Amino acid sequence: DGGITQSPKYLFRKEGQNVTLSCEQNLNHDAMYWYRQDPGQGLRLIYYSQIVNDFQKGDIAEGYSVSREKKESFPLTVTSAQKNPTAFYLCASSETGAKNTEAFFGQGTRLTVV
Amino acid sequence: SQQGEEDPQALSIQEGENATMNCSYKTSINNLQWYRQNSGRGLVHLILIRSNEREKHSGRLRVTLDTSKKSSSLLITASRAADTASYFCATAPTGGGNKLTFGTGTQLKVEL
Repeated sequence: DGGITQSPKYLFRKEGQNVTLSCEQNLNHDAMYWYRQDPGQGLRLIYYSQIVNDFQKGDIAEGYSVSREKKESFPLTVTSAQKNPTAFYLCASSETGAKNTEAFFGQGTRLTVV
Repeated sequence: SQQGEEDPQALSIQEGENATMNCSYKTSINNLQWYRQNSGRGLVHLILIRSNEREKHSGRLRVTLDTSKKSSSLLITASRAADTASYFCATAPTGGGNKLTFGTGTQLKVEL
């Protein structure tokens, strides 16, 4: 069953803590992305990676970090430096090379700071 | 930066009616895509239109693209209650690979 899996679905974090959101795909896609969605808003790009061991900052990278040690995995760490981390986080993947391909999304992780 | 702006922000119609959503963007693009999001879920790809295409159909969906006006529209015909969701346009910029920039979305409610 091919797809992209995010875990956990819900995550609660105390202020000052780092948390890591998991994203795994078995679609054999080279590119992976992390987006943040606030209530009633569109998606904003946090980080993206087009190949293993390489990633670039998106529009709102401050307070976040990523790694891409394996093609299948692209975990996102929300650090204590992120001032307003409560949001819905979406991971996506797509092919590279071809210009016109769609993105496949996971079901999201809802992070709440308590 | 948010490239796409969508209009209207919210739309409420009766089942069987058509729903039209519009999207405007700012820069040169390779393609424009439309996605659907059910409440609290991930996004699902609906349709992709290339920059050299003007219109595309998929089932009850019709998408138009006007690159001179940097705008697109999504028409859902004969809407159903199950079409209730948020709809987002996303653009893949020229030379930007598949790094999509999303609009703010249109919330569609289809009432019985």
